[in-house]
Amino acid sequence: KNEVEQSPQNLTAQEGEFITINCSYSVGISALHWLQQHPGGDIVSLFMLSSGKKKHGRLIATINIQEKHSSLHITASHPRDSAVYICAVRVDFGNEKLTFGTGTRLTIIP
Amino acid sequence: NAGVTQTPKFRILKIGQSMTLQCTQDMNHNYMYWYRQDPGMGLKLIYYSVGAGITDKGEVPNGYNVSRSTTEDFPLRLELAAPSQTSVYFCASSLQAEETQYFGPGTRLLVL
Repeated sequence: KNEVEQSPQNLTAQEGEFITINCSYSVGISALHWLQQHPGGDIVSLFMLSSGKKKHGRLIATINIQEKHSSLHITASHPRDSAVYICAVRVDFGNEKLTFGTGTRLTIIP
Repeated sequence: NAGVTQTPKFRILKIGQSMTLQCTQDMNHNYMYWYRQDPGMGLKLIYYSVGAGITDKGEVPNGYNVSRSTTEDFPLRLELAAPSQTSVYFCASSLQAEETQYFGPGTRLLVL
């Protein structure tokens, strides 16, 4: 079993819909990252969080440490949000390495 | 700032050939990482470095070597290329281990 599981693997939605992507992990962590991989391949960090909630524009990331679960929400989705969204965790404090999920491919249809 | 740059963008190698993937960052970051990304799989860490002169193995180091002679550069060397090394390779850097990682644009490698 992977340490980091994402769901769904693929998601197709209409423009304007509210999107939720989930990430579950099985180990203790010091931080969780959400990244976006554009269709051309570029990878951009969206959020790094260790508790609570962060918001940037139409993107919101939440984490529940007790339940070992994080969600990434996109409000008023737009075709330019189409990308692969990747969850990654830093296992324990002082660890230099990230463990990555396999990603959720999001497609927003106009 | 250019951020993290990688060269080449794309390369085809024959089995047994060797090559070096270049990675440079201009953000004065201490930490640098090499990942590979295979279809349907998460990014896997090959090697990382916590500063000039210090490198360590990641999850999948076999068949690769690295060096870190300067803060800016972290080249990845493939010796005796094999078809299993066909992948997309990403270099990343961060100021500290706990901070956001910045990724390069990737190098697509095909070994035939």
